[in-house]
Amino acid sequence: EPEVTQTPSHQVTQMGQEVILRCVPISNHLYFYWYRQILGQKVEFLVSFYNNEISEKSEIFDDQFSVERPDGSNFTLKIRSTKLEDSAMYFCASMGTGRNIQYFGAGTRLSVL
Amino acid sequence: DQQVKQNSPSLSVQEGRISILNCDYTNSMFDYFLWYKKYPAEGPTFLISISSIKDKNEDGRFTVFLNKSAKHLSLHIVPSQPGDSAVYFCAASSFTSGTYKYIFGTGTRLKVLA
Repeated sequence: EPEVTQTPSHQVTQMGQEVILRCVPISNHLYFYWYRQILGQKVEFLVSFYNNEISEKSEIFDDQFSVERPDGSNFTLKIRSTKLEDSAMYFCASMGTGRNIQYFGAGTRLSVL
Repeated sequence: DQQVKQNSPSLSVQEGRISILNCDYTNSMFDYFLWYKKYPAEGPTFLISISSIKDKNEDGRFTVFLNKSAKHLSLHIVPSQPGDSAVYFCAASSFTSGTYKYIFGTGTRLKVLA
């Protein structure tokens, strides 16, 4: 069964460093998303991406964040200068056309020290 | 921003009995609702969904009920099994800006006791 793949599973970084979280969505899907979950809190929407551009972003998704689909398979989330409060699980999701169901990856745990 | 609420953080049920998980929402623009199950160290896994034009959807042991006037949905699991033990999230969505984004509730941790 096709699945969304995220790498790495755990990323440790120093405050102020740049990180890139990677996702390989399901191959025929056209809508891509990033969500995050701070420990003990709810899953929060960050950004949606369709047709090579951002379609919607939350207030969390400030200028420190960017997304890119550098080739036909990868979808990345970059945090330019990490802060302690960026520590969270980051989930990538993708969705095909015709059915409003997003499929999630296993997540990347980002730890900012 | 508490557009989607799950007021019970945890629930314990005996194996074989019914589990009922509840979810309330405030935004009447939501037109599609989903339940996801999440195990530790895994991403949310889609379980069942319902469109706002329906009031019930059933898939095997899982049934979702939607009460639009009360802005309330519930997930029934019958019979409950120990493997159902997980955190359950409800999500609500609407089509805005050319895409569907999900607003998640805070989750209910279900424990099914053998």
